[in-house]
Amino acid sequence: ETGVTQSPTHLIKTRGQQVTLRCSSQSGHNTVSWYQQALGQGPQFIFQYYREEENGRGNFPPRFSGLQFPNYSSELNVNALELDDSALYLCASSLWASETQYFGPGTRLLVL
Amino acid sequence: DQQVKQNSPSLSVQEGRISILNCDYTNSMFDYFLWYKKYPAEGPTFLISISSIKDKNEDGRFTVFLNKSAKHLSLHIVPSQPGDSAVYFCAASAQQGGSEKLVFGKGTKLTVNP
Repeated sequence: ETGVTQSPTHLIKTRGQQVTLRCSSQSGHNTVSWYQQALGQGPQFIFQYYREEENGRGNFPPRFSGLQFPNYSSELNVNALELDDSALYLCASSLWASETQYFGPGTRLLVL
Repeated sequence: DQQVKQNSPSLSVQEGRISILNCDYTNSMFDYFLWYKKYPAEGPTFLISISSIKDKNEDGRFTVFLNKSAKHLSLHIVPSQPGDSAVYFCAASAQQGGSEKLVFGKGTKLTVNP
């Protein structure tokens, strides 16, 4: 059974640029959630996708957007990058929206 | 406003002894609680969970206790092993409220000394 995978592992961007992060869910899981973890903080919920539809959103501006594909993999897009967007971005998948979430290794984004 | 609080940033214990990690929450809508362990450069790994209809759940060396009236939960690790050294996150969700998002604490760094 393949776990949650994320790409890329590291990324450096400059302020104002756009970035796309990718996540492949664990086999059989139809729900993907995205979290942002700043240094010294716990992960913060960005949004969740269940069967290709957004199923809840945290307190993040609209420049954070996402997609889920028919194979349940997902993308997180961030437009107009700001310095404060520098963080570890974590993807988690679950069997259903209300089930235990299993995390990938994360993508570390640095915005200069 | 931090809804899930882990007030101890770090904890150090001797190998073989008990590790007790604590977590407090403020939102009475939370009905499902989880503990995750995180090593550097890895994502959080699910450890154990508990529903609000229970007050205790065990899985091997790990036990989670929930005190709903005090809005407090704790994770006990017995016996502690050096491989348990990691950052532990407490998380909560309000599943019956229709929200499956996890709200995390800031984490407690556990160091188990040989």
